[in-house]
Amino acid sequence: AQTVTQSQPEMSVQEAETVTLSCTYDTSENNYYLFWYKQPPSRQMILVIRQEAYKQQNATENRFSVNFQKAAKSFSLKISDSQLGDTAMYFCAFMKPGGRGGSNYKLTFGKGTLLTVNP
Amino acid sequence: ETGVTQSPTHLIKTRGQQVTLRCSSQSGHNTVSWYQQALGQGPQFIFQYYREEENGRGNFPPRFSGLQFPNYSSELNVNALELDDSALYLCASRGRGDTQYFGPGTRLTVL
Repeated sequence: AQTVTQSQPEMSVQEAETVTLSCTYDTSENNYYLFWYKQPPSRQMILVIRQEAYKQQNATENRFSVNFQKAAKSFSLKISDSQLGDTAMYFCAFMKPGGRGGSNYKLTFGKGTLLTVNP
Repeated sequence: ETGVTQSPTHLIKTRGQQVTLRCSSQSGHNTVSWYQQALGQGPQFIFQYYREEENGRGNFPPRFSGLQFPNYSSELNVNALELDDSALYLCASRGRGDTQYFGPGTRLTVL
């Protein structure tokens, strides 16, 4: 079974600064996806960024980028130029794809990191 | 906007009752999953439906059941509600590239 660990329950950052959220995972699989989701107080779980394990290049989406270290099973999220609207819970999630829409679309989540961006 | 909707937004039930939560996903999204998110925790996988059949289940008892319909809507049913069933219930549909898109959730309170 896969596990996802987020060791930082809470973090804070000043507006316009950079912050990095940590995530480690445990799996014996070689082909999988990793995700960062954001959940603001509105509760809507919003996809921030995704990474396919077979890709060596780290994914980027505007101000968001990841540092994917497959051998170390580490998947950190860097947020640059932090904005007040980035305040939210951030969840790291693992998924092994495949099958006939099979059971492998299950997401395994970490416990989350509450990020507060201060003005 | 993920194109996934859920109803109702909030629900209050008493212990022992039954509840039905609903989800509507985008056309063509033929895989839907349900998650339970307890306060302060990450979501936990309940089960997944693909083409109207259950196709994967997490560590939840049989009193958690579901249905998926041809119009890309689905239901989560919980029988014999317990206090610990109080949580946010999230529906997610699988879109392009195996990414799952979530609805806004239903907050269930069991008294």
